[in-house]
Amino acid sequence: GAGVSQSPSNKVTEKGKDVELRCDPISGHTALYWYRQSLGQGLEFLIYFQGNSAPDKSGLPSDRFSAERTGGSVSTLTIQRTQQEDSAVYLCASSFPGSFSYEQYFGPGTRLTVT
Amino acid sequence: AQSVTQLDSQVPVFEEAPVELRCNYSSSVSVYLFWYVQYPNQGLQLLLKYLSGSTLVESINGFEAEFNKSQTSFHLRKPSVHISDTAEYFCAVSDLYSGGSNYKLTFGKGTLLTVNP
Repeated sequence: GAGVSQSPSNKVTEKGKDVELRCDPISGHTALYWYRQSLGQGLEFLIYFQGNSAPDKSGLPSDRFSAERTGGSVSTLTIQRTQQEDSAVYLCASSFPGSFSYEQYFGPGTRLTVT
Repeated sequence: AQSVTQLDSQVPVFEEAPVELRCNYSSSVSVYLFWYVQYPNQGLQLLLKYLSGSTLVESINGFEAEFNKSQTSFHLRKPSVHISDTAEYFCAVSDLYSGGSNYKLTFGKGTLLTVNP
């Protein structure tokens, strides 16, 4: 079946603008994670969704970052008033906890460049 | 809090040579351990994992990793590498008791394995 998809694949934005990044998880996967991959910090956890709720937002770096998930499926990560330090690859991953395989399936990422 | 240390940021080797990519972790609780691989211009893929049972786990393409609880290590090895193994390798841990079904991953900074002819 289809894997995790993310859009756009690349986004260039000006400092101060808002951006929305989209993630379509694998159908039936109830758990969804956002991570950020940057040169200086490596791969960092941002937020976890179980269904439509986000019980763990501990990785969001500031209140400019928010995310939502609707219908237990698509998720959107929004960054307001973007800063140059937000430049990174944003990765989405999904999993099915009931499988007990604990494998997360990653999307190809959205490369965000803030100029 | 958990942390993962990958001691080598880059490992260049010649084709058919053995390789070991090192990973150490620290955690106050039991963890699941993973190695993910990122081939050039591709997304992250699971290579192998340790959940429980035998401490030696293997992948389908010849990699193996051994969980050593006393040394808090999960080093990745392959006896003979191929050009196609060139990729970035990430060690990751997940807390067994993070609550509910939240198995968020804490990653190391990655090791770039470059296999030269």
